[in-house]
Amino acid sequence: GENVEQHPSTLSVQEGDSAVIKCTYSDSASNYFPWYKQELGKRPQLIIDIRSNVGEKKDQRIAVTLNKTAKHFSLHITETQPEDSAVYFCAASIMDSSYKLIFGSGTRLLVRP
Amino acid sequence: DGGITQSPKYLFRKEGQNVTLSCEQNLNHDAMYWYRQDPGQGLRLIYYSQIVNDFQKGDIAEGYSVSREKKESFPLTVTSAQKNPTAFYLCASRFTGGWDTEAFFGQGTRLTVV
Repeated sequence: GENVEQHPSTLSVQEGDSAVIKCTYSDSASNYFPWYKQELGKRPQLIIDIRSNVGEKKDQRIAVTLNKTAKHFSLHITETQPEDSAVYFCAASIMDSSYKLIFGSGTRLLVRP
Repeated sequence: DGGITQSPKYLFRKEGQNVTLSCEQNLNHDAMYWYRQDPGQGLRLIYYSQIVNDFQKGDIAEGYSVSREKKESFPLTVTSAQKNPTAFYLCASRFTGGWDTEAFFGQGTRLTVV
């Protein structure tokens, strides 16, 4: 079955610096890759996603890149702010009738003021 | 107020007892999921269901059971066979009109075995 690995488990950056979180997936049939942000005590919420037919997607300070050949995708946050501090999860979904959605182990991002 | 609701927020259970966690959604989503969240282990899939009266085991289904009798509801039972049930449980739902749809999460239930 699908397996998603996520690194690093924790990441500490200075405010204004960039942060990069990387994920790899095992099933080449995966074709949808969302990223979720979970603030302390709150539910995970979608922040950005990418389809397998796209190599990169940007939304203001966040971007996601996908390398299908290497089966990895990354989240990039530029000009980090303290409110970016949270746990970030990557996920992968296969385009079949199961709609199975597998998450990575999460990255705790701390942005130091 | 549309969305996905889990209850209760906190739940305490004695060892050897079964307990059922509720998950209800009014988003008209066909797919529903149960995840377990432990520190450092991310969101691990317990069970998922694409349609009423059908569901599949996820990666850590042992010691858990589910039912999907109604589209809106996907209750999770933590049985006495689950060896380490203390955890945070998240329910999610997703529209199945396309394969690239967003999953919406409930606020979670924190289960503690005492």
